[in-house]
Amino acid sequence: DAGVIQSPRHEVTEMGQEVTLRCKPISGHNSLFWYRQTMMRGLELLIYFNNNVPIDDSGMPEDRFSAKMPNASFSTLKIQPSEPRDSAVYFCASSTRLAGGFEQYFGPGTRLTVT
Amino acid sequence: DQQVKQNSPSLSVQEGRISILNCDYTNSMFDYFLWYKKYPAEGPTFLISISSIKDKNEDGRFTVFLNKSAKHLSLHIVPSQPGDSAVYFCAARGEYGNKLVFGAGTILRVKS
Repeated sequence: DAGVIQSPRHEVTEMGQEVTLRCKPISGHNSLFWYRQTMMRGLELLIYFNNNVPIDDSGMPEDRFSAKMPNASFSTLKIQPSEPRDSAVYFCASSTRLAGGFEQYFGPGTRLTVT
Repeated sequence: DQQVKQNSPSLSVQEGRISILNCDYTNSMFDYFLWYKKYPAEGPTFLISISSIKDKNEDGRFTVFLNKSAKHLSLHIVPSQPGDSAVYFCAARGEYGNKLVFGAGTILRVKS
């Protein structure tokens, strides 16, 4: 089974540019989560979707960040304009409640560097 | 405010011995707890979980213990192997929905 797929794996961009991160969740999973990991703040939840609908975006740092889930197999996280402080590793995770638990399965992450 | 705390940034253990990783939480409404393992340049990998109605869950070399009165959980790895060297995150399900709150992580080094 394919796990969560993220692209690109690495992104280097200049301040002010638009950045789009992509995620394909595990087939059959109906919840999708975007996380950001930094040394200072650890692993923090940005936003999550249930059945393609955004449920909680309280972790989105500011209006420069936006996320969409147009269908059950694809989501994007966009930063426009990007700033050096956005440099971090961004993870996507997916889950399903069919097994009764709350386990989330993570992708390999996208390492973003904004210069 | 950190609702899930892993107070030990790192732990070093000899191969074959027991590794004990600890986690404390502050919110008594948390009802499900998980441990993840993370290797460099990879995403966190789910290890083991426990519901708040239990006090122990075992899966092979990994056992998680939950002490609700102390708001404390621990992960025991027996015997420890060099391949267990990684960052271990404790997580708890929030008060509603499917959100998880993560601790800061503990680096485990297993020496051969």
